[in-house]
Amino acid sequence: NAGVTQTPKFRVLKTGQSMTLLCAQDMNHEYMYWYRQDPGMGLRLIHYSVGEGTTAKGEVPDGYNVSRLKKQNFLLGLESAAPSQTSVYFCASSSGTLAGGYEQYFGPGTRLTVT
Amino acid sequence: GQQLNQSPQSMFIQEGEDVSMNCTSSSIFNTWLWYKQDPGEGPVLLIALYKAGELTSNGRLTAQFGITRKDSFLNISASIPSDVGIYFCAGPFLMLAGGTSYGKLTFGQGTILTVHP
Repeated sequence: NAGVTQTPKFRVLKTGQSMTLLCAQDMNHEYMYWYRQDPGMGLRLIHYSVGEGTTAKGEVPDGYNVSRLKKQNFLLGLESAAPSQTSVYFCASSSGTLAGGYEQYFGPGTRLTVT
Repeated sequence: GQQLNQSPQSMFIQEGEDVSMNCTSSSIFNTWLWYKQDPGEGPVLLIALYKAGELTSNGRLTAQFGITRKDSFLNISASIPSDVGIYFCAGPFLMLAGGTSYGKLTFGQGTILTVHP
């Protein structure tokens, strides 16, 4: 039982390049989330999904797109990377049920640098 | 929107000391979560609280759900070097979509704990 996994762990992009971050969970969770973490800013929600085939915007969605084609996977895309997107990205999942459903479980993170 | 105020922002303590941190909100929460983030890792859930007044322990960690439902406290007893990290509180605010309720988490800004051997 791996929990939440993220690939890649590190990536360096040039401004304007695109990339996709992959998140996978094996806990059969309905809900999945993408956060970014910057020094002094805490964790900020980018996009989230409440089930396969659904996505919604979080606090800071601009410049990112997401897809949830399979229940276990949640992809975060950067179409044209900007230096302001240099950050550490975390994926999380939760069951969404009333009993303990708010507990989110996080992946190990992807450290992205845009030059 | 809902905000969580976490204090202190940072703490520098000697190994063996007890630690206390808290989280307050202007809104009522039905759940309080405490996470720890080790350097270079993702946040890990330490304790979940579901009832006002609840006191829950996890080893040397004890967390309490405030009676007003607007605050929570985390205590670490007899700190050790591996307690170093960032501690976050979090609480959900309910949203309704298509008749289904679900919660997005609001996070505090974190308390950075440094333990000197």
